[in-house]
Amino acid sequence: SQQGEEDPQALSIQEGENATMNCSYKTSINNLQWYRQNSGRGLVHLILIRSNEREKHSGRLRVTLDTSKKSSSLLITASRAADTASYFCAPAPSFSGGYNKLIFGAGTRLAVHP
Amino acid sequence: GAGVSQSPRYKVAKRGQDVALRCDPISGHVSLFWYQQALGQGPEFLTYFQNEAQLDKSGLPSDRFFAERPEGSVSTLKIQRTQQEDSAVYLCASSSTDRGDGYTFGSGTRLTVV
Repeated sequence: SQQGEEDPQALSIQEGENATMNCSYKTSINNLQWYRQNSGRGLVHLILIRSNEREKHSGRLRVTLDTSKKSSSLLITASRAADTASYFCAPAPSFSGGYNKLIFGAGTRLAVHP
Repeated sequence: GAGVSQSPRYKVAKRGQDVALRCDPISGHVSLFWYQQALGQGPEFLTYFQNEAQLDKSGLPSDRFFAERPEGSVSTLKIQRTQQEDSAVYLCASSSTDRGDGYTFGSGTRLTVV
């Protein structure tokens, strides 16, 4: 499968703790994107990391990319109850004809308890 | 518009009925994608438009599925002779770049076939 595969499938933490989600994929990529989905809603783009980048930050989010291991991680620091959602990684395979044909995994369901 | 708009928000169809799902992307966005999301799963790619050209329809599950974007803006996903396995959330996403960096998703249309 070309899709990103997230690990763990579910994560339950307390407010204030950090949450780390991992992603593995199988093909060479142009970039890898992370999305969040609240229950019953569309996906929200969080961050894009290109294949020549190793780390990227956005607010409380930190994404790393290791192309040699074909893996990425998303760290959410100082989590809040509002961070409760499903998180998806979506690698954009480099063979997909010049556009980002994102291939989503099943996601990590994060629950942050007050 | 400010975001990607999809209509209807919910659709209940009797098995065998034809349905049409509409997507209004962000004005000026070049790339438009359709995804299908089954309950508890990640979105699965259906098709990709660059302006009015349908460059990739490899994800359409059968010839009952048809998508168009005749003027390079609004897109319609049509499903003929709906089956129960078509029940899912259909997500539309658009991007300002022809590569599709950082999709903006709509809230989706939840289709239930009874």
